[in-house]
Amino acid sequence: DQQVKQNSPSLSVQEGRISILNCDYTNSMFDYFLWYKKYPAEGPTFLISISSIKDKNEDGRFTVFLNKSAKHLSLHIVPSQPGDSAVYFCAASARLGYGGSQGNLIFGKGTKLSVKP
Amino acid sequence: DAGVTQSPTHLIKTRGQQVTLRCSPISGHKSVSWYQQVLGQGPQFIFQYYEKEERGRGNFPDRFSARQFPNYSSELNVNALLLGDSALYLCASSTLREHQPQHFGDGTRLSIL
Repeated sequence: DQQVKQNSPSLSVQEGRISILNCDYTNSMFDYFLWYKKYPAEGPTFLISISSIKDKNEDGRFTVFLNKSAKHLSLHIVPSQPGDSAVYFCAASARLGYGGSQGNLIFGKGTKLSVKP
Repeated sequence: DAGVTQSPTHLIKTRGQQVTLRCSPISGHKSVSWYQQVLGQGPQFIFQYYEKEERGRGNFPDRFSARQFPNYSSELNVNALLLGDSALYLCASSTLREHQPQHFGDGTRLSIL
C-alpha cells in the first residue's frame, strides 16, 4: 500500500525548458511535503518543501505546488540545467499528535530526471 | 558546518553476521532517523530517535535495533544478516520541529554475501 506515489520512473527534458515532476499521496494526515534530489553515491539532498496550509512555495528555479483536494503535488524546475539531472524523491510526513513534532518521512519511488544540453 | 556523517561508507558481510552502523547528526539536531534504501525504491523508515528516546519504528524485524547517545549520535545494529539486508542505509537528522526537513548523510552501502 503505497502512500506516496511517483508514477513516472523517468523524465527527459531539454536544457532551458521546464521540468515538471509529479507526486500523489493517499494519507490525508500528511501535513508536510518535501522534495529531495539524489545523485549516485550520495545521500538525498533536501531541495524544497511545503506545508499543507500553503498551495505554493518558491525557491529560485524550484517551485512546489500542492493541491490538497486532489492529493497531488508537483515540482517545477525552470529553467532546467544539465546539473539538475538526478533522481528526485517526493516525501511526506504527518505530525505526531496535535502540535506535536514531525514524524517520519514516507517516500515515493523516485523519478529520474535527465536534462539534455 | 558539518552535515550528517555516517560510517563506514561501505561494508561487506556474510549471512548470519552482525553489523553496526554509525551516524553523527548536524550540530544542534537532537533527532536521528534511519532509513533503508534498496535499488529502485525510495528510502524506507526504520527508526526515529529524539533525545535518546525511540519515537517511531517502521515495519522491520526485531533483528534491527538502534540507540541514540547523549551527544545525539546514533548506532543502527542488524543481527543475523540476510541477503535481503543488502541496501544503502541512510541516517537523517532534524530538529523535529514542525515543518522542518530532515537532512541526510551519504549512507552506508551494506553488501551481504
